[in-house]
Amino acid sequence: NAGVTQTPKFQVLKTGQSMTLQCAQDMNHNSMYWYRQDPGMGLRLIYYSASEGTTDKGEVPNGYNVSRLNKREFSLRLESAAPSQTSVYFCASIGTSGYNEQFFGPGTRLTVL
Amino acid sequence: RKEVEQDPGPFNVPEGATVAFNCTYSNSASQSFFWYRQDCRKEPKLLMSVYSSGNEDGRFTAQLNRASQYISLLIRDSKLSDSATYLCVVNNYGGSQGNLIFGKGTKLSVKP
Repeated sequence: NAGVTQTPKFQVLKTGQSMTLQCAQDMNHNSMYWYRQDPGMGLRLIYYSASEGTTDKGEVPNGYNVSRLNKREFSLRLESAAPSQTSVYFCASIGTSGYNEQFFGPGTRLTVL
Repeated sequence: RKEVEQDPGPFNVPEGATVAFNCTYSNSASQSFFWYRQDCRKEPKLLMSVYSSGNEDGRFTAQLNRASQYISLLIRDSKLSDSATYLCVVNNYGGSQGNLIFGKGTKLSVKP
């Protein structure tokens, strides 16, 4: 049981390049999330998917797109990377227990030059 | 007013000290409350849920005051391994930004 996995762990892009961050969970969770974390800003929600086939914008969706490929996988795409997107990106999923513990992946450290 | 507010710290304490973190939340309809721990360059992990009656897990005690919209975390007999950032988290069911709202975190550094 790997929990939430993310690839890649590190990435350096040049301004204008595109890339997709991959996320998968093996806990049969319905809801999945993408956050970014910047110093002094805390975790900010980019997009979330409450269930397979649905996606919704979070607090900071501009410059990003997402795909909920199936129940397990939720990818985040940067079409044209900008230096302001330099951040640590966390994928998370939430269980169906009454207390809604959210499980996080190990993160992707992205630098845009 | 921000949805979840915490004192950013850092809190620098000696081993064995007792330290308390506070958190306030703005949405009176919030239903569930949590403390997460985040080690440096790692992902957040659930430390404990917070119940209305208060709850304890070893050296950690969490309290909730719904009337004041206030959550606290008390750590007794601090260990070096407690050094981390502690995130206050509130679940706003039906909110437009997904389920969980995170505070910015309070950094704790426990010194020998």
